[in-house]
Order: sequence, then structure tokens, then C-alpha cells
Amino acid sequence: KNQVEQSPQSLIILEGKNCTLQCNYTVSPFSNLRWYKQDTGRGPVSLTIMTFSENTKSNGRYTATLDADTKQSSLHITASQLSDSASYICVVSANQAGTALIFGKGTTLSVSS
Amino acid sequence: DAGVIQSPRHEVTEMGQEVTLRCKPISGHNSLFWYRQTMMRGLELLIYFNNNVPIDDSGMPEDRFSAKMPNASFSTLKIQPSEPRDSAVYFCASSSGLAGPYFSTDTQYFGPGTRLTVL
Repeated sequence: KNQVEQSPQSLIILEGKNCTLQCNYTVSPFSNLRWYKQDTGRGPVSLTIMTFSENTKSNGRYTATLDADTKQSSLHITASQLSDSASYICVVSANQAGTALIFGKGTTLSVSS
Repeated sequence: DAGVIQSPRHEVTEMGQEVTLRCKPISGHNSLFWYRQTMMRGLELLIYFNNNVPIDDSGMPEDRFSAKMPNASFSTLKIQPSEPRDSAVYFCASSSGLAGPYFSTDTQYFGPGTRLTVL
């Protein structure tokens, strides 16, 4: 069964600290993996999209990694800011056409001052 | 650009009533997606269009749901009749569709969502 599991479910960190969010998937055949940031009451915003051949992609202070062999991805946030407080959602596309999307439940990050 | 526009932003209706949600994609984008988000199930893709044609509607929960895209700048998602379990936030997203009818690695841009409450 195609599944995407994210951990931790929630996380609280101090402003300025780094953190890493995890995404494990059992999706086959794999097409690509996306990370989204969703602020409360707003639509998700795309952070990164990675295909099978990519193992690292950065977007500012956000760096996503992908290990297609172990079917794991991580999202590392450097020097966190209060505005990083949001839900982070991992989405994996199945099959070559990428038409099937499997969503994780998300990690809720709270950055405090 | 104004981004993806959705209306209404909030909708409260009674069970059995018809509900129509509206979406205007980003100009020039040729792929459009409808999503539903609930606390229990998270985000779910309901249906997506490429060049106004429905490509995959396997996520539409049941026959009470229907979606149309009469032109490149407008889409509707209709629920008839509505039920309390349809209460959710419904998002519309669009992308440039450079990957063709299968959106692959295209970046999707989400609208602000419509919060639907069915009493």
C-alpha cells in the first residue's frame, strides 16, 4: 500500500535553532517528492520538488534530501525564524506520469522567541 | 499576478443543499487541481484538468461531487446534495503544465481555499 509517514507530528524549537523533519514513504513506482509549507489558514506553498535522480535541493534556508534507496526524505531548516511556524507536508507522486499523489499528514512546527 | 482566486472564502450551508465552489487559475496556467483538506484525512487530490480536460477524477469521493472547467480561466466544484461529512477546506491550485497532461514536476500554486461547513 502506498503510504507517506512524517515525523515528528509536532515540534517546538527556539528561534535561531536548526531542525530536521522526516518523511518516509512506501510508494512504488516513485516519480517525485515534494515538500510544502502551509501557514495556518492559507494554502500550501511549494518548497522543493525532487525526482529520483536528485538527492539534495535547497530553497533559501530550507534544504531537502532524498534517499531513494531507503525511501526517506528530510527537510532541514537552518537558523529558524518565527515565520517558519507552519505545517510542513511531504507529498510523493507514484508512477511515471505522476498522476497519483500520496500525502503525509504533516509536521506542525512552532518556533518560539 | 493576483494568484489563484477562490470564492467564496467561507460557506455555511445545510445538509441537502447544493454547494458550488469557484476557482480562477493563474493566467497562462493550463493545469488546474481541486484538493480537499480535513484534520482526519489531511490533503487529498480530488480531480485535475489539463487544457480544460479532466485527466484524473479518481479522487472524487462519490457521485455527489462534480467538477467542470468550461474555459481556461474558470472552474467549479459542485456538491449536490451536501452532507456534514463534506465539511472541509477546499483548495484549488494551478500550474504551468509544462510536463503535459501529467503534471510530474510542475510547481503548483494554491489558492487561499474555501472553508465549507455543512450543518
